[in-house]
Amino acid sequence: GDSVTQTEGQVALSEEDFLTIHCNYSASGYPTLFWYVQYPGEGPQLLFRASRDKEKGSSRGFEATYDKGTTSFHLRKASVQESDSAVYYCALSHGGSNYKLTFGKGTLLTVTP
Amino acid sequence: ETAVFQTPNYHVTQVGNEVSFNCKQTLGHDTMYWYKQDSKKLLKIMFSYNNKQLIVNETVPRRFSPQSSDKAHLNLRIKSVEPEDSAVYLCASSWGRDTQYFGPGTRLLVL
Repeated sequence: GDSVTQTEGQVALSEEDFLTIHCNYSASGYPTLFWYVQYPGEGPQLLFRASRDKEKGSSRGFEATYDKGTTSFHLRKASVQESDSAVYYCALSHGGSNYKLTFGKGTLLTVTP
Repeated sequence: ETAVFQTPNYHVTQVGNEVSFNCKQTLGHDTMYWYKQDSKKLLKIMFSYNNKQLIVNETVPRRFSPQSSDKAHLNLRIKSVEPEDSAVYLCASSWGRDTQYFGPGTRLLVL
C-alpha cells in the first residue's frame, strides 16, 4: 500500500538557519503530495501541494519540488523563524476511489531565538 | 479562519462510558473525515463520508460509529470507551478528493 517516510522525531534549529525536512513516498502512478503544518492546539493546515513531476509548491517561504525519479518531496526554508515552530506532515493522496490522505509520522520543528 | 467546527474541545470520561463528538463544516464540501491522532502525533484515517455515504472505513474497533445527518455534519460516537481511546480526534472536509481542511480537534482523556 501507499506510504510516506519523513524525517523522524525532532529538528532543533536557531533562527535564520536553513531547514530541510526529508519526505519520500511509495505509491504507484502520480499521487498528489502535500505538506501540512500543525501548531499547538490546532488542526493540521495545508502549506501547499503538488500534483505533477517537477511541480514546485511554496508558501510562507517554504517550498518543495515533486520529484518522481527519487520519489521525494523535501520541505525546505532558507531562514526559519521562531514562529515556524510546529509539527510538519508530509502526506499523499492517490486519487481513484481512494479518498484517504496517507500521512508521514510528523516532524517537530523547534526554532530558538 | 475556522470553517470546520468541532465540539467539545476537550472531554474527560471514565472507562466504559459512551461519548459523542460533533463536527460541522461551512465550506460547502461533499466529503468529511474522522482522523485519530495519538500521543506521538501519528495521524490515522478512521472514516470518510462522501455525500452522506460511507466510503472509507478503516479497521477500527466496533465501538466506534460515525453518524452523518447531512453533507455538512459528521459525528463520531464511541460506545464503552477504553483507555487506548485517549487521543485527539480530528474532523476534516474536502470537495471530492481535493485538499482536506481540518478542524481544531477534540481531545479525549479516558481515566
